[in-house]
Amino acid sequence: GDSVTQMEGPVTLSEEAFLTINCTYTATGYPSLFWYVQYPGEGLQLLLKATKADDKGSNKGFEATYRKETTSFHLEKGSVQVSDSAVYFCALVSGYALNFGKGTSLLVTP
Amino acid sequence: DTGVSQDPRHKITKRGQNVTFRCDPISEHNRLYWYRQTLGQGPEFLTYFQNEAQLEKSRLLSDRFSAERPKGSFSTLEIQRTEQGDSAMYLCASSLVTGWTGSYEQYFGPGTRLTVT
Repeated sequence: GDSVTQMEGPVTLSEEAFLTINCTYTATGYPSLFWYVQYPGEGLQLLLKATKADDKGSNKGFEATYRKETTSFHLEKGSVQVSDSAVYFCALVSGYALNFGKGTSLLVTP
Repeated sequence: DTGVSQDPRHKITKRGQNVTFRCDPISEHNRLYWYRQTLGQGPEFLTYFQNEAQLEKSRLLSDRFSAERPKGSFSTLEIQRTEQGDSAMYLCASSLVTGWTGSYEQYFGPGTRLTVT
């Protein structure tokens, strides 16, 4: 079945460092892909999305490109802030639901 | 737009008791979803509604679980005879899908954290 695999965390970075969180997927066809973020004690917030191959989703300095050749949707940010500390989930549409990865915890230190 | 709301935010119950959670979706959204999230895992799909019709249920939704969405507005998720394995965060999400296309973006509520003792 359709699935998403994310790099394991936790990821610890210093403020202003470059961030990459890897996400690869297995699916029939080309599903829409998403990144969600979950701040401590809160629900999931949609961070960005891409609906077809080569689309680039971006929001709040984060970017991810839908790569069908490598079945990947890696999340990147050029300069992280302490406020970016959260858990990041990669997800794809499977049927009517979202299939999520296990999440990658990010801690940004001053 | 006040977003998706869930009530209660936390629930502690004893094994064997019944619990009910409520979700109020974004008002114009026609689809409503329930997910369960355990510690260190991503959310797992439980069920979804298109308006008032429950159209899909995951195998995770045992017969102790029942969900309703009367009149296509708010939804309730009831767990009967709770077990310790039911301890999790229960998340509700909603989306607007029209015709055969539409955004698959789902907007999530803050969740209800259930602890079964």
